[in-house]
Amino acid sequence: DSGVTQTPKHLITATGQRVTLRCSPRSGDLSVYWYQQSLDQGLQFLIQYYNGEERAKGNILERFSAQQFPDLHSELNLSSLELGDSALYFCASSPLGTWKTQYFGPGTRLLVL
Amino acid sequence: AQTVTQSQPEMSVQEAETVTLSCTYDTSESNYYLFWYKQPPSRQMILVIRQEAYKQQNATENRFSVNFQKAAKSFSLKISDSQLGDTAMYFCAFMKRGISNFGNEKLTFGTGTRLTIIP
Repeated sequence: DSGVTQTPKHLITATGQRVTLRCSPRSGDLSVYWYQQSLDQGLQFLIQYYNGEERAKGNILERFSAQQFPDLHSELNLSSLELGDSALYFCASSPLGTWKTQYFGPGTRLLVL
Repeated sequence: AQTVTQSQPEMSVQEAETVTLSCTYDTSESNYYLFWYKQPPSRQMILVIRQEAYKQQNATENRFSVNFQKAAKSFSLKISDSQLGDTAMYFCAFMKRGISNFGNEKLTFGTGTRLTIIP
């Protein structure tokens, strides 16, 4: 158990819909990262937040957005869903300091039908 | 941009044997971190081992060790005395070390090697 929690574990929805994925980082970790794992794209970085502020953006679609709240939990919002958005979405957190090891949550498996 | 290449899509080895997974990367950075993550059938991403680029000594974690060749940009993972529980997808990952503590700390992953330990 990494200490990072993600809900829900599974999500099935239809095209055009909107969903919210939730992540709680490990106690004390200020940085949260979102990754997408799909069969055709592999593991890709989406976005990073540090203590409520966006720090880095990767290959995140405009239909996707994220935020980190004062209690440090983070949400990833996916809208106007398409079949190709079906993937495993991971959240990771890392501590402040020299070592930036990222600890991953169990992931949310999204299926868009 | 950084790239990570894992040239072995699949490997299999007998239980108790030693296996080495290959990883090469391309970067113009001089300060960075390298990681190996394991993803078993449960799909959980589990950190196996990590290495700082400025450290010449190869990292070791119990049965897992790396061969880090900075000049060759190579970072292979050796698993000794392999066990059935080592069956998983293994991902090599690169992270640039930012100037500050709050920079772009994304992980760039390779495509993975599927390792099967045969009883």
